[in-house]
Amino acid sequence: EVQLVESGGGLVQPGGSLRLSCAVSGFTFRSYWMNWVRQTPGKGLEWVARIKQDGSGKDYVDSVKGRFTISRDNANNSLSLQMDSLRAEDTAVYYCAKEGSLGYWGQGTLVTVSA
Amino acid sequence: DVVMTQSPLSLPVSLGQPASISCRSSQNLVSSDGNTYLSWFQQRPGQSPRRLIYKVSNRDSGVPDRFSGSGSGTDFTLKISRVEAEDVGVYYCMQAARLPLTFGGGTKVEI
Repeated sequence: EVQLVESGGGLVQPGGSLRLSCAVSGFTFRSYWMNWVRQTPGKGLEWVARIKQDGSGKDYVDSVKGRFTISRDNANNSLSLQMDSLRAEDTAVYYCAKEGSLGYWGQGTLVTVSA
Repeated sequence: DVVMTQSPLSLPVSLGQPASISCRSSQNLVSSDGNTYLSWFQQRPGQSPRRLIYKVSNRDSGVPDRFSGSGSGTDFTLKISRVEAEDVGVYYCMQAARLPLTFGGGTKVEI
């Protein structure tokens, strides 16, 4: 059974940092692109970043470029999102999702950026 | 960015009746490899999104055959042949043909 479990969310002040993790099981992690997607009540679903199978390719939505870094550890079946210089508008539920067309999603982790 | 426009915003339906959701993209979604990367997702209340359809018309494993996807180019449709109570939720289309991946605003299906 495919499972993706996010962790690391919480309350952080504007300008602060947070690192999200996603532990996966039930599929050959190193064979798939992986993504981060976020959801807010106001803006709906927004794709954030993706990373190639071997980590050699990374893409980001413009609003997080230079602030967020996606990475993966294929030996430990885990995906990460380092979020720096956080802003109020980054407040959202963050999901990790498997493969290019987001075939499987985790349950999400809530990130709140507020003073 | 490719803008995905869904209609209607809200869709009241009766049990056992058909339902249809439209999704239009601001650009053609045929990728350089010849595939059309248009997917549909269902998000039930309190749950994560779940993919139902990928590449326009391919149902994911475990998705009931009352769900079907169709369309081409810039116009796409998700149909539910006979709505059941468990189909209540918000439905999103998404394109993965061009970066950034983008979603429609969602259609709320309610009984």
